[in-house]
Amino acid sequence: SSELTQDPAVSVALGQTVRITCQGDSLRTYYASWYQQKPGQAPVLVIYGKNNRPSGIADRFSASSSGNTASLTITGTQAGDEADYYCTSRDTSGNQGVFGPGTKVTVL
Amino acid sequence: QVQLQQWGAGLLKPSETLSLTCAIYGGSFNEYYWSWIRQPPGKGLEWIGEINHRGRTKYNPSLRSRVTLAVATSKNQFSLKLTSVTAADTAVYYCARVRQEVALFSKYYAMDVWGQGTPVTVSS
Repeated sequence: SSELTQDPAVSVALGQTVRITCQGDSLRTYYASWYQQKPGQAPVLVIYGKNNRPSGIADRFSASSSGNTASLTITGTQAGDEADYYCTSRDTSGNQGVFGPGTKVTVL
Repeated sequence: QVQLQQWGAGLLKPSETLSLTCAIYGGSFNEYYWSWIRQPPGKGLEWIGEINHRGRTKYNPSLRSRVTLAVATSKNQFSLKLTSVTAADTAVYYCARVRQEVALFSKYYAMDVWGQGTPVTVSS
């Protein structure tokens, strides 16, 4: 299967914790990677592998996985975290990349 | 620090060929796969394909018949050609570096460095 699914939107109060999920068969084999995209900007990788943050990414971002579901958690959410978040992985064949449809995070 | 700079024609007519190039500055070309991703207006990200320095490619099956990726190793550049474009190909096109792990129990796939994006509009 080459499909990843995400909830279209979630909202979180300023300073609280939000979890975004990504589901797909390939996630039983691959850890999901996660991107933040703000309007008019290129995506930015925030998590890759089991739970790795690229240089410059705040430790408020963390990841976990279980079975076919991967999760991105943002703790102490800030106004600047309002963005679209995408997950990605290889598909089950390992021959192509696939993106989830994205989750819009709104900070209240 | 690695940077990707991309360029190409931004306005095409239906049936024309989209052509984009991405140059790598400040990093190794030979150690990675390099990918193209696109994003139609108001929509999500779509993986187009990837290539390594030897020209080994992987393509999105839905685009395979129209896409060609190529490398110019001596210039640290790679390119995308998409033939017979239609309005459905209107999107921002990004190049990106692939970062991946293929060891069992540690597998992941990510794009860790992105180009600035090139808006492409297909219109008659």
